[in-house]
Amino acid sequence: GNSVTQMEGPVTLSEEAFLTINCTYTATGYPSLFWYVQYPGEGLQLLLKATKADDKGSNKGFEATYRKETTSFHLEKGSVQVSDSAVYFCALPTQGGSEKLVFGKGTKLTVNP
Amino acid sequence: GAVVSQHPSRVICKSGTSVKIECRSLDFQATTMFWYRQFPKQSLMLMATSNEGSKATYEQGVEKDKFLINHASLTLSTLTVTSAHPEDSSFYICSAISGGLGYTDTQYFGPGTRLTVL
Repeated sequence: GNSVTQMEGPVTLSEEAFLTINCTYTATGYPSLFWYVQYPGEGLQLLLKATKADDKGSNKGFEATYRKETTSFHLEKGSVQVSDSAVYFCALPTQGGSEKLVFGKGTKLTVNP
Repeated sequence: GAVVSQHPSRVICKSGTSVKIECRSLDFQATTMFWYRQFPKQSLMLMATSNEGSKATYEQGVEKDKFLINHASLTLSTLTVTSAHPEDSSFYICSAISGGLGYTDTQYFGPGTRLTVL
């Protein structure tokens, strides 16, 4: 089945710093790729997704580009805020046609004022 | 749109009792719901897949008699932890996929339920 490897944290940044969280995947075909965010004490929220190669998903200033050459889907934000402090999960379907997702281990981001 | 709720958000129970957690899709019909378990500082572990009108499919290693799942309608799935023990204490999260025509791969998550078994 498909798998995902995510940069381990924790990551601590100052406000307005640039953020990159690496995510690489192994998959058969070209599945959709997702980033989910989990704020403290809450469930997961879909942050962004990309459904095909070279697609760029974006939301709330975050971006990730589906790169099939490097099998990567790195999450970036140009200027983080304290409110971005959360755990970020990269995910993709377990296999082609499956509705099940496999998640990375999560990267905890802390943004200090 | 695509809001999923869970109830209760927190529950504390005594060892040996059963606890029911509800997962509802508020503004869409969910033909498929998933139940996850999350341990502190860890990723999500898929427990089971719940399909409306049929038996749930459990992942390897998950006890189906302990974690009873009922997908009663297109907007409601319940997880019952039977004879709960302290090791069942965890954060339980459900997700739902919007029903309709064709395949869809985006899951929408509930806010989670914190279960503490004393």
